[in-house]
Amino acid sequence: RKEVEQDPGPFNVPEGATVAFNCTYSNSASQSFFWYRQDCRKEPKLLMSVYSSGNEDGRFTAQLNRASQYISLLIRDSKLSDSATYLCVVTTRDDKIIFGKGTRLHILP
Amino acid sequence: DAGITQSPRHKVTETGTPVTLRCHQTENHRYMYWYRQDPGHGLRLIHYSYGVKDTDKGEVSDGYSVSRSKTEDFLLTLESATSSQTSVYFCAISPLRQNPYNEQFFGPGTRLTVL
Repeated sequence: RKEVEQDPGPFNVPEGATVAFNCTYSNSASQSFFWYRQDCRKEPKLLMSVYSSGNEDGRFTAQLNRASQYISLLIRDSKLSDSATYLCVVTTRDDKIIFGKGTRLHILP
Repeated sequence: DAGITQSPRHKVTETGTPVTLRCHQTENHRYMYWYRQDPGHGLRLIHYSYGVKDTDKGEVSDGYSVSRSKTEDFLLTLESATSSQTSVYFCAISPLRQNPYNEQFFGPGTRLTVL
């Protein structure tokens, strides 16, 4: 099993719809979890950290399920500007920072 | 935006030539990282630094060396470039190596093509 796995997509979603991504991780001792956003030919930027209790930032909600070893990102009322690649990032207790390959999202007008 | 610049932003070189990429930060962050990003792969760590003259290898360090003589600069050197090193290289910085809510800030990237 790969250390961090994401569905590569692309997810083609109409504007205004809700879309959800999952990311699974293999190391049960993983400590920190993040979602980064990367626009085409740009650098990754932090979208949100993922807290154990789950957290929300506007239209974005992140959840962590330690028992099943996955994190999720939910985007509500999607906008054209949400089109990007979303990277799942996991850090482990031995200081490894592991990036997923990303999930591509296309919001359709 | 975090003050990170990378130079050059684009480079085309030939197999066997040495190449040095520069990362410069104005944030005075302790940790600096070099990653490469290739289609079909996530970002992969090449080397990182936890202070001046303190560096360590990442998961794909073969063929690369680094140096950090000042807090603000982290150099990545390909001693003898190969075609397999064609990639987009990102520098990143963070104030702390391991922190539950720590964020890495990335530079704009360098596109390197080795012919």
